[in-house]
Amino acid sequence: GNSVTQMEGPVTLSEEAFLTINCTYTATGYPSLFWYVQYPGEGLQLLLKATKADDKGSNKGFEATYRKETTSFHLEKGSVQVSDSAVYFCALKRANRDDKIIFGKGTRLHILP
Amino acid sequence: GAGVSQTPSNKVTEKGKYVELRCDPISGHTALYWYRQSLGQGPEFLIYFQGTGAADDSGLPNDRFFAVRPEGSVSTLKIQRTERGDSAVYLCASSSQTSGSSYNEQFFGPGTRLTVL
Repeated sequence: GNSVTQMEGPVTLSEEAFLTINCTYTATGYPSLFWYVQYPGEGLQLLLKATKADDKGSNKGFEATYRKETTSFHLEKGSVQVSDSAVYFCALKRANRDDKIIFGKGTRLHILP
Repeated sequence: GAGVSQTPSNKVTEKGKYVELRCDPISGHTALYWYRQSLGQGPEFLIYFQGTGAADDSGLPNDRFFAVRPEGSVSTLKIQRTERGDSAVYLCASSSQTSGSSYNEQFFGPGTRLTVL
């Protein structure tokens, strides 16, 4: 079945460090891929998405590229800020369908000033 | 505009009791989803409505869980004979149907934290 595996946290970095959170997926066909973020005390929100191979999603300085050959969608940011501290979820959904999103377990990120 | 709202924000109940959790989707959104997020885990799908009907209820863990959306807007998730293992944050999301779109974003509510003592 479809599934998502992401690196376990917590991940602790200093401000302005480079961030990578690894994510790989298993799916039939060509799913859409997402990164969601959950800030402390807030609801889940979409950070970025990619709907086909080689697409790059980007938002708030974060980027992720849909790599079909390696079934990966790693999240990166060149210089993290304290305000990026949150839990990040990699996720997928079958393309062209209004149905369930399948989430990874989440990676908690702590950024130290 | 208003986002997805869920009530109550917190619910504490005793083992064996019945609970109802409510979701108000974004106005005009035809699709509505329920997910459950256990501590330290990602959200897990429970059920999806398209209009008034359940299009996919494959994520409901057992027959103690039931959800309705009688008028195609507000939805209620009902849990009978609650167990301690039902303790989690229950999330609701809604999305619109856009003709020709390959993706309709799901907008999530803040969740209801259910604690079963």
